[in-house]
This record gives sequence, structure tokens and C-alpha cells, in this order.
Amino acid sequence: NAGVTQTPKFQVLKTGQSMTLQCAQDMNHEYMSWYRQDPGMGLRLIHYSVGAGITDQGEVPNGYNVSRSTTEDFPLRLLSAAPSQTSVYFCASSRDTGELFFGEGSRLTVL
Amino acid sequence: AQTVTQSQPEMSVQEAETVTLSCTYDTSENNYYLFWYKQPPSRQMILVIRQEAYKQQNATENRFSVNFQKAAKSFSLKISDSQLGDTAMYFCAFMKQFAGGTSYGKLTFGQGTILTVHP
Repeated sequence: NAGVTQTPKFQVLKTGQSMTLQCAQDMNHEYMSWYRQDPGMGLRLIHYSVGAGITDQGEVPNGYNVSRSTTEDFPLRLLSAAPSQTSVYFCASSRDTGELFFGEGSRLTVL
Repeated sequence: AQTVTQSQPEMSVQEAETVTLSCTYDTSENNYYLFWYKQPPSRQMILVIRQEAYKQQNATENRFSVNFQKAAKSFSLKISDSQLGDTAMYFCAFMKQFAGGTSYGKLTFGQGTILTVHP
């Protein structure tokens, strides 16, 4: 059972570079979301999607783009990385039962 | 907007003893879920327990139980018979229920409590 798969697990970028964090789920969940985890701040919602073609901003969306062309995939794009985006990123999926299923996280360092 | 506060950055407990982690939240909503998630050093987020706000009965999952006080907006986690494998960061989280019971997968997390279980 794959569940939620995130790639890459580790990435180092230079300021100004772009990259995409990939997220895929095989549970046919409607909802998908991206969170970032920073020390002392818990996890904060970046963007979320309620279905293919529908996305919306969360608490900390600046500097990130998302799209959802299929139910399974929800990539997170950093167009011009900044040191403030150094963080651990989690993708999650869920249905209306409330429980979120998380990927294993991606540690991103921006130099 | 909702806020979740975990006032204990770190806690420690001896193996086999009981420990309680605190969580308070602020919301004007009446329908919501509350969760405790565990994050061990592996970084994986693991659901520990879930509580629906409309249920008065406190949720339990084996050694884990909650004390849900809706009026006080308090949601503490009690771990009984602590085990070394319980060592982890624990997050309290809030999820609003929208019309029709939908949630959209939007969680608001507390800051986390690092729990260390000593042998």
C-alpha cells in the first residue's frame, strides 16, 4: 500500500532556483494539501485542493504555486526559492472522515 | 480563524508511568474534529486519536485517551503505561466541519510537545 508518496525526500537549492515537490496518492481521496513544518510553529497549511482542477490558498501561500490536473497528483512549485522556504514539507490526502494521511515529508534547504 | 495552543514544549516521563499532554484551542465553530498526531524521529505523521466535537464521550485508543472539555476548549491527551516507543513530538490539531460535514482536509496545528520516555 503506497498511500501518499512524496519526492524528493531531501533537496538543497540555491536562492532563486525553482523546483517542484511531487505528491501522489493512490487512495482516490478528494482532498489534498501541502503543509510546511518549522520549529516551534507546528505545521502550517500552504495550499489545498478539494478536487481535480480546484485549489485554494492556505495560511502561508506566498512563494508557492499548486495545480491539480488529476485526482492522484498535487505538485507544489517553488518558482524562486528563498532561504525563508527552508523547511520540511508534508503532503496529505483525506476524505470527509476527517483523518489526513501524510507523506513521509521532504526536507528542503535553500542556501 | 482557529488557533491551537500547546503550552508544554517538552515533557518527560518514566517508562510504565502516565503522562498528560495539554492542548487548548480557540474557535467560534460548533462542528469540528480534534486530533492528536505523533511524529517520531522518522518524521512520519501518525494519527493517535480523533474526537468529534458533537460526541460527549471521550475517545480512547488502547493506552491513549483524551479529556475533551468543549466548553473550556480543552483537549488533553493521556498516555498510560508509557513505552519507549512513545518518544516523539505530539501535535494537537483542529479541523472545522463545513456545511454537509465536509472538511476539505484543512488542519490547524499546535506548536507541538516533545515527549521523552525514559527507561
